[in-house]
Amino acid sequence: ETGVTQTPRHLVMGMTNKKSLKCEQHLGHNAMYWYKQSAKKPLELMFVYSLEERVENNSVPSRFSPECPNSSHLFLHLHTLQPEDSALYLCASSQASGGGNTGELFFGEGSRLTVL
Amino acid sequence: GEDVEQSLFLSVREGDSSVINCTYTDSSSTYLYWYKQEPGAGLQLLTYIFSNMDMKQDQRLTVLLNKKDKHLSLRIADTQTGDSAIYFCASGGDSSYKLIFGSGTRLLVRP
Repeated sequence: ETGVTQTPRHLVMGMTNKKSLKCEQHLGHNAMYWYKQSAKKPLELMFVYSLEERVENNSVPSRFSPECPNSSHLFLHLHTLQPEDSALYLCASSQASGGGNTGELFFGEGSRLTVL
Repeated sequence: GEDVEQSLFLSVREGDSSVINCTYTDSSSTYLYWYKQEPGAGLQLLTYIFSNMDMKQDQRLTVLLNKKDKHLSLRIADTQTGDSAIYFCASGGDSSYKLIFGSGTRLLVRP
């Protein structure tokens, strides 16, 4: 496996379900991100982890709970979601420290979530 | 907060040049980026430009940066049907980890 991989690619869940999205990066990066992509809206940054510590949490509802057990893995735990949470959830990674860093993000293919 | 704006849609004929424009507000941006998203896929970095440059060329891609007006453009020469995708402009690259993305411009290339 190379790059950033996300599973599952598609998920349908009811409002009372609990599910998790998984992201794994094979690039040796030290920062990982969750973005939400909704139709015709800018990408919304949800969470940022650097060196496994959360460094950004952009007023995301508590029904979204991130977890970063190590620098290669990132989870997004979902519970009691609403239909408006249906979107494409993108994971990304970067090398976020050190000189010469261009800030480039490497994205996964995304997990398409539908909440019924 | 900081913002990045793009037009939503552009249609061009195959073989023509495409120009996608973007404006941003964050004057402290170190880098400006162009990402491409094909259907069913994540975003892929196409190119980036350092904020003290005004032009960067990479094969069919030319990026122009007007820092005074905070205006960024991406020119694709000899546009092909495979270039049909959504193109996102983003600003950032400083120490905050945060890239600010526009809403994306959907490019349709007609045969």
